[in-house]
Amino acid sequence: IAGITQAPTSQILAAGRRMTLRCTQDMRHNAMYWYRQDLGLGLRLIHYSNTAGTTGKGEVPDGYSVSRANTDDFPLTLASAVPSQTSVYFCASSDSLAGSTDTQYFGPGTRLTVL
Amino acid sequence: GQNIDQPTEMTATEGAIVQINCTYQTSGFNGLFWYQQHAGEAPTFLSYNVLDGLEEKGRFSSFLSRSKGYSYLLLKELQMKDSASYLCAVLDSNYQLIWGAGTKLIIKP
Repeated sequence: IAGITQAPTSQILAAGRRMTLRCTQDMRHNAMYWYRQDLGLGLRLIHYSNTAGTTGKGEVPDGYSVSRANTDDFPLTLASAVPSQTSVYFCASSDSLAGSTDTQYFGPGTRLTVL
Repeated sequence: GQNIDQPTEMTATEGAIVQINCTYQTSGFNGLFWYQQHAGEAPTFLSYNVLDGLEEKGRFSSFLSRSKGYSYLLLKELQMKDSASYLCAVLDSNYQLIWGAGTKLIIKP
C-alpha cells in the first residue's frame, strides 16, 4: 500500500453500538489525526497523536477514543454511537519533525451513519 | 477565538481566472495551506505558504500577506475538473491546523 488507508469505506450502525474505524499509513509519518466533516462546518479535529504512544484531544473529542500502539495504525473508537456522530471521518498523517512543513495527507474517508 | 473566513460558494466560467480569498485570525502562525476536495473524496494538498508573497505551481498560485492575515488561491485557465471545494487552513502557534469551512467552486461551460 502507499499512503493512508481507512476501513470500512462506509457503515450503517445502530445507536448504542460500539464501532472502531481503522486507519493505517505506510509513510512512516510520526503524527496522525482524526477529523470529522459535516456539511457547512468544515473539518473538525477529534483526536491526534504526535508520535507512537501519545495521543491528544482535539476540538470535538467527546464520545471518541483513540490509541497509537505503533507508528502505522491509529484506530478511532466510538464506545456507544449516537445519531449526532453521523458524519464522514477522515484520518490524516504528517511528518511533523523539525524542518518539515507539517503537510497533512488524508485517507479516503469513512462514511458513518448512526440510526 | 481562532477564525478562518472564506466565501461559501463561487461560480466561474471554463477558461477564465478565479481568485478565492481567505482571511484568518489565529493564535500565532506557522504556515497556511490550501487543499482541494472533490465531492465525496478526501482533501488533497495544493499549496503551502509561510512567507509573504506569491507561490506559483502550474495553473494554481497562492498568495500570502501575514500582516493582513490574508491569502488567496488563484486558478487560471479553469477546467471543468476544477469544480471542487477549496479549503484554507492555518497552522497556529501550537502547530494545530485550523480549518476554514471551504469554498465550493462551480465551473460553468
